Amino acid sequence: GAVVSQHPSWVICKSGTSVKIECRSLDFQATTMFWYRQFPKQSLMLMATSNEGSKATYEQGVEKDKFLINHASLTLSTLTVTSAHPEDSSFYICSALPLAGVGNTGELFFGEGSRLTVL
Amino acid sequence: QKEVEQNSGPLSVPEGAIASLNCTYSDRVSQSFFWYRQYSGKSPELIMSIYSNGDKEDGRFTAQLNKASQYVSLLIRDSQPSDSATYLCAAKGYNFNKFYFGSGTKLNVKP
Repeated sequence: GAVVSQHPSWVICKSGTSVKIECRSLDFQATTMFWYRQFPKQSLMLMATSNEGSKATYEQGVEKDKFLINHASLTLSTLTVTSAHPEDSSFYICSALPLAGVGNTGELFFGEGSRLTVL
Repeated sequence: QKEVEQNSGPLSVPEGAIASLNCTYSDRVSQSFFWYRQYSGKSPELIMSIYSNGDKEDGRFTAQLNKASQYVSLLIRDSQPSDSATYLCAAKGYNFNKFYFGSGTKLNVKP
């Protein structure tokens, strides 16, 4: 159980275009999903916290108009990188926190990650 | 002080040895702790969670929590080359929806 699917796993796009990344919890509901970015040999960097049905909370320094997050249902959150530039090339990873309840141990589960390359 | 701190390593151990990974935390996190393994180019994978003082064992892995010292550790017995990865220590904040990650310790298990 507790599978998080992220799609696409890798994407190459031209500078100035937009890219959408999907994050789905396959066998559980998640009111909260997190989006991270990770550059090579660096730590996870939290970009934003996504709550179902409400606006995402962005970390300091993350442009909300550039990284659009939508959490339309209890199993799906999307991250859209708008007007992508080469410096946005990175490994983007989502994670999902199962809905509080019986059997919920408060563990966070990660998607497989999406590697974005902007040419 | 960061909420969760780890030595970045690398920690090198010979195959078959015990690898000991350590993590300290601040008062700003709650008492839920997690260890994740991240292979190069992959996303983190949950290995263990620990909530109570003491040891918790799962196969070759043992997590240890010492609340008095604000210290969490992960022991890997009979280390294998396939255990070579970066290990992330994480803690849940008092805000239920906040998680704090250490910068990770890189483990190399030499054949």
